[in-house]
Amino acid sequence: QVQLVESGGGVVQPGRSLRLSCAASGFTFTNYALHWVRLAPGKGLEWLAGVSYDGSEKFYADSVRGRFIISRDNSKNTVYLQISGLRTEDTAVYYCARKEFNWGPMSGAFDLWGQGTVVTVSS
Amino acid sequence: QLVLTQSPSASASLGASVKLTCTLSSGHSDYAIAWHVQQPEKGPRYLMKVNSDGSHTKGDGVPDRFSGSSSGAERYLTISSLQSDDEADYYCQTWGTVMVFGGGTRLTVL
Repeated sequence: QVQLVESGGGVVQPGRSLRLSCAASGFTFTNYALHWVRLAPGKGLEWLAGVSYDGSEKFYADSVRGRFIISRDNSKNTVYLQISGLRTEDTAVYYCARKEFNWGPMSGAFDLWGQGTVVTVSS
Repeated sequence: QLVLTQSPSASASLGASVKLTCTLSSGHSDYAIAWHVQQPEKGPRYLMKVNSDGSHTKGDGVPDRFSGSSSGAERYLTISSLQSDDEADYYCQTWGTVMVFGGGTRLTVL
């Protein structure tokens, strides 16, 4: 079954760190760039970060650069998002998304989404 | 700056058709976009990619009731024979040096 499954969310105090994981199955993981997107309460989808098929290129939204780190382990078919210095405004559902198989890691549609993992930042 | 603009809300009656619009910012009228749908409490689902010439490529399993088209800087998603579970948030997405989402349109099926 072709799918992405996120995990690692939870309730976290402000200032702490968290690592989210996204496990892929049912497709050739190393053919695709992977990205993280979030949906905060009352807001729309926000792109956060992306990583190329081999992990050599990483891209970040200006709003999270310096606090978020994306990485991937192709031996485990997993992509990660490390978040440091958590803020209340980071409260959201975090999704990983597969970028369609063509062109570069930042060119194309997201053609597969996970179900999301919830991060709540609260003291 | 690459920006996508969507109306916050739309409504149409059960069984009718609705056309949602996504507008590309000035200077970007030749960009392709993708449409995604998000039902309550679910992850987003990819619907289709729409090119500047109006051609579109749908995702696996997307019903024929969904179609895409273009005119200038506008990209459209048309849903015909509306069903109750079409009630959802619809987002457009495009790409450049960053990935960009529109603000989303909440579709209500009356």
